[in-house]
Amino acid sequence: DAKTTQPTSMDCAEGRAANLPCNHSTISGNEYVYWYRQIHSQGPQYIIHGLKNNETNEMASLIITEDRKSSTLILPHATLRDTAVYYCIVRITSGTYKYIFGTGTRLKVLA
Amino acid sequence: GAVVSQHPSRVICKSGTSVKIECRSLDFQATTMFWYRQFPKKSLMLMATSNEGSKATYEQGVEKDKFLINHASLTLSTLTVTSAHPEDSSFYICSARDFHGYTFGSGTRLTVV
Repeated sequence: DAKTTQPTSMDCAEGRAANLPCNHSTISGNEYVYWYRQIHSQGPQYIIHGLKNNETNEMASLIITEDRKSSTLILPHATLRDTAVYYCIVRITSGTYKYIFGTGTRLKVLA
Repeated sequence: GAVVSQHPSRVICKSGTSVKIECRSLDFQATTMFWYRQFPKKSLMLMATSNEGSKATYEQGVEKDKFLINHASLTLSTLTVTSAHPEDSSFYICSARDFHGYTFGSGTRLTVV
């Protein structure tokens, strides 16, 4: 699976949008971008995924660049409960492929 | 949505004993499950892939005799840490494939004293 790089940490003011970038410059045409987050001492939680179109759900929006070499996860109105480590993973969806986690971004939402 | 139940959430055991961790897919069948280990403030490290009805596949550097994996049914995989030592203390997490990707268990905090 393609490797991803993310900033180690970010701060965001409560109520503001949190924009978390991810670089995946070696992504293949059939690889999707997945985002998960891990709140302290819990298992990772699925947030959103996409192939090339921008995606939105009740939790977040995912913006993927046209060349697909990077993406941004947007939490539109961050709350204190969004403080977590956010992981960006790329992989194909057919078959069963193991997730390899990078270092992720530690997001801290400030009151 | 899909739920993966992991049990126990916390366990303390004495050195030399064995500990079993269970991972169940509650509302879907999982022919493949994954086991991860996580150290404090570090990312998840894949340990092994658990395949229903066959032997698990271990990542390089993971001792298969130390971390025994059994996947006897389509909804249950177990990880047994054998002859545990303090250095085995860690956070263990399982995951299973569902309809949109992978769902993770809530993790097991193992402390070996």
